[in-house]
Amino acid sequence: DAKTTQPPSMDCAEGRAANLPCNHSTISGNEYVYWYRQIHSQGPQYIIHGLKNNETNEMASLIITEDRKSSTLILPHATLRDTAVYYCIVRVYNQGGKLIFGQGTELSVKP
Amino acid sequence: KAGVTQTPRYLIKTRGQQVTLSCSPISGHRSVSWYQQTPGQGLQFLFEYFSETQRNKGNFPGRFSGRQFSNSRSEMNVSTLELGDSALYLCASSFNGAIGTEAFFGQGTRLTVV
Repeated sequence: DAKTTQPPSMDCAEGRAANLPCNHSTISGNEYVYWYRQIHSQGPQYIIHGLKNNETNEMASLIITEDRKSSTLILPHATLRDTAVYYCIVRVYNQGGKLIFGQGTELSVKP
Repeated sequence: KAGVTQTPRYLIKTRGQQVTLSCSPISGHRSVSWYQQTPGQGLQFLFEYFSETQRNKGNFPGRFSGRQFSNSRSEMNVSTLELGDSALYLCASSFNGAIGTEAFFGQGTRLTVV
């Protein structure tokens, strides 16, 4: 599985966009980029995933660079409830339910 | 619809004992994965079951085992408990574990070994 690198922590002002970077320079052509978040003491929550095109859903947007070696998760209008640890994961199509979590980025949204 | 249910939520056991944790997946989901979360090691994959068969396995000793029943409910067992087994154990269910069928996590079982 490709390794991901994320900053250990970030701050964001409430109402502003939170941009969380992830480096996955060894990603293979058949690996997808996934994002999960974990709010303190809860189970991780799926946010979004993509292969090579940018993706958007009701929670966030995912921007993947053309060479696929890095990506950015964007929370357009961060709220205090978005304070959590955000995990960037790469996984192959046929690896079933196995997810390899790194250390993640601890995002603090401040009023 | 009901989410992933893990029981019990909290558990205290003594070194050397064994423990069984239970996970009821979302209705219709056939893949159940288990994870261990500790402050030092983070979230680590234990194993995945799909249609009553273990499909993936992480790097944990044989003291950690699991099974899945015909209704997709899953149990994991840890024998001969060690202090280092104290952790939050999370279970995730998905329809079949493939891309596009995302994993939904339960609230976890907090195991403390004393």
